[in-house]
Formats: sequence, structure tokens, C-alpha cells
Amino acid sequence: GAVVSQHPSRVICKSGTSVKIECRSLDFQATTMFWYRQFPKKSLMLMATSNEGSKATYEQGVEKDKFLINHASLTLSTLTVTSAHPEDSSFYICSARPTGTYAYNEQFFGPGTRLTVL
Amino acid sequence: GDSVTQMEGPVTLSEEAFLTINCTYTATGYPSLFWYVQYPGEGLQLLLKATKADDKGSNKGFEATYRKETTSFHLEKGSVQVSDSAVYFCAQAGGTSYGKLTFGQGTILTVHP
Repeated sequence: GAVVSQHPSRVICKSGTSVKIECRSLDFQATTMFWYRQFPKKSLMLMATSNEGSKATYEQGVEKDKFLINHASLTLSTLTVTSAHPEDSSFYICSARPTGTYAYNEQFFGPGTRLTVL
Repeated sequence: GDSVTQMEGPVTLSEEAFLTINCTYTATGYPSLFWYVQYPGEGLQLLLKATKADDKGSNKGFEATYRKETTSFHLEKGSVQVSDSAVYFCAQAGGTSYGKLTFGQGTILTVHP
């Protein structure tokens, strides 16, 4: 149980285009989902916390107009990288916390999406 | 702010060797500490955790002890297997970042037969 999927697993796009990444909890409902970014040989950095039915909370330094997050249902959150540029190339990871749980470690992670912007 | 520092990898071992991956943290308050493992092509999975000083987390032969005096949470395993090859992340939660996980940079472990 507790599987989280991400789609696509890899995406290559041209500079200036927008890319949408989906994060789904497959066998549980998740009121809260998290989006992380990972640079090579660097730690995962939390970008934003997404709550179903409300606006996402972004971490300091993350541009909310650049990284649009929508959490329209209890099993799906999307991250849209708008007007992507090469510096947005990275590994994006989502996690989902089952509804009714609040413990820090109760996050189940997706396998990640590799974004390459040419 | 809160941070986690792991030993840099990659770490390469022969099967049945002893493993240590060092992890230290800085935090205001008393965080919970975690080790996550990421196998190729999969998401991060919680390996073990400790929520207070002197707690020992253990799972699948891996152990880590919460050492407040040295602000450390080193991961150990007495005899590694090829199937342990993965990326290991140390993380903390609590302290000044309530509800959020702060990760180390990850350590790649490769175990050869």
C-alpha cells in the first residue's frame, strides 16, 4: 500500500514552454502533498506544501508564479513549471501524506520527474 | 536554521562489509530524525526513525542512535548485501521547521558481490 506515482518520469522541453507534472496517491487519500526539488549531489529542497482545496504554501525563495501548484482532489496534485528555462532543469519529487495523519514521517514519496529544459 | 549534513559518497563496499554513513544535524529544539532509502527508479522510503535522545531506530539490519550530545544520527549495518545498493538520505523534522522534513544531500551506496 501507500504508493505514490508521478507522471511523466522524464520530460524534455524547449525554453519558454510550460510543463505539467502530476503526482497521484494511488491507494490512499492525501489532504497534504509536498513538492521537492533535488539538484545533483544536493539534498531535497522543499518547494511548497499543497493542501487539497486551498492555495499552496511556498517556501521562501520559490516563485509561486513560476511553479504553479494545483491540488484539486484528494489523490492528485500538479506542478506546472511555467515559461521554463534551462536553470529549471532538475529532479522534482512529490510526496503525499495520508488524510488524518500528521506525523512528520508520514509522507510517501513518488519516484520523481527528471525535467530537462533545452 | 535547521540543516542536515551527511558524509559524501559514493560509498563502495564488498558484500558482508560493515557500513557506516555519518549524519549530523543542527536544529533549535529537539527534532525527530530519520533515514530514508531510495532504490533505483523508486521513491524514497522510510528506513528507520528516532524521536528522542538515545532512541535507537532499527530496520532490515540497519541501526541508528539519536545522539543529542554530538547531534548525530549515524547509520550502521553489520553486513551489507548487494540489495542494499541505493541512495540513503538522513533527515530531520521538528525543531524550528514544524511539519517539514529537512534532508541531507544523500549518500550513494554500491555493494559489490
